[in-house]
Amino acid sequence: SAVISQKPSRDICQRGTSLTIQCQVDSQVTMMFWYRQQPGQSLTLIATANQGSEATYESGFVIDKFPISRPNLTFSTLTVSNMSPEDSSIYLCSVEVAGGGADTQYFGPGTRLTVL
Amino acid sequence: GENVEQHPSTLSVQEGDSAVIKCTYSDSASNYFPWYKQELGKRPQLIIDIRSNVGEKKDQRIAVTLNKTAKHFSLHITETQPEDSAVYFCAAWDSSYKLIFGSGTRLLVRP
Repeated sequence: SAVISQKPSRDICQRGTSLTIQCQVDSQVTMMFWYRQQPGQSLTLIATANQGSEATYESGFVIDKFPISRPNLTFSTLTVSNMSPEDSSIYLCSVEVAGGGADTQYFGPGTRLTVL
Repeated sequence: GENVEQHPSTLSVQEGDSAVIKCTYSDSASNYFPWYKQELGKRPQLIIDIRSNVGEKKDQRIAVTLNKTAKHFSLHITETQPEDSAVYFCAAWDSSYKLIFGSGTRLLVRP
C-alpha cells in the first residue's frame, strides 16, 4: 500500500477565492488522481495528474477551474479556482500502487471544502 | 465509456445476518473490480478486489464474485457486525485504466 497525506484536511473559504490542496505520498508512484465527492454522493474523477506533462481532465472539469501540478512522483496539488458554494465538497487524491503484478488504488484522507 | 450501477442504495440487516451488494458494468474490456468501504468522515478503504481471471475471492467474512458473461459482480459479507456499518462502493477499471465508481450502498447492521 502507500501512506498518503493531504493538506489542508478542511477549510472554509469565501466565494471568488482559490484554494490549493496538496497531496503527498511516501513512495514514488506513476499514477495520481484527483476525485471529488459531494455530500452523500459517490466519487467522481476530476483528472489524472501526470508527472512531467499536463493533467488529463474528465468530462465536465477544465484546467482553468481545477489547475493541477505534478512536479515529481510523490507530490501533486489541485487548485479549486474562483470558488462558488457549488464547489463545497470533499476532494480526495488517489494513487495507483503496483505490487505483485497487479495495480491497486488507494485514497488520501480527503480535504473537506466549504465555500460560503 | 464505462458505466457502473450499484444496488441497493441502502441495506439494513440484523447483526449476524449476511449482506449482499450487487454491481453491473458496461465495458466488457474491464478486468479489475475493487470494493471500497467508507466510514463516516473517513477515506474510502479498499477491502477486497477481484480480477477478471478469477470468478470468486474470499477474505475472512468478505467475498466477491464475478460473472464476466453477465457483466456483474457482487460483495458478500457474512456474519455481519455493527462495525460493518458504512457506505460501500464498487468500482471497475475502464479501458483507460481509470476507476469508475458505483453510486454506493449504505449498509446498516442493527445490533
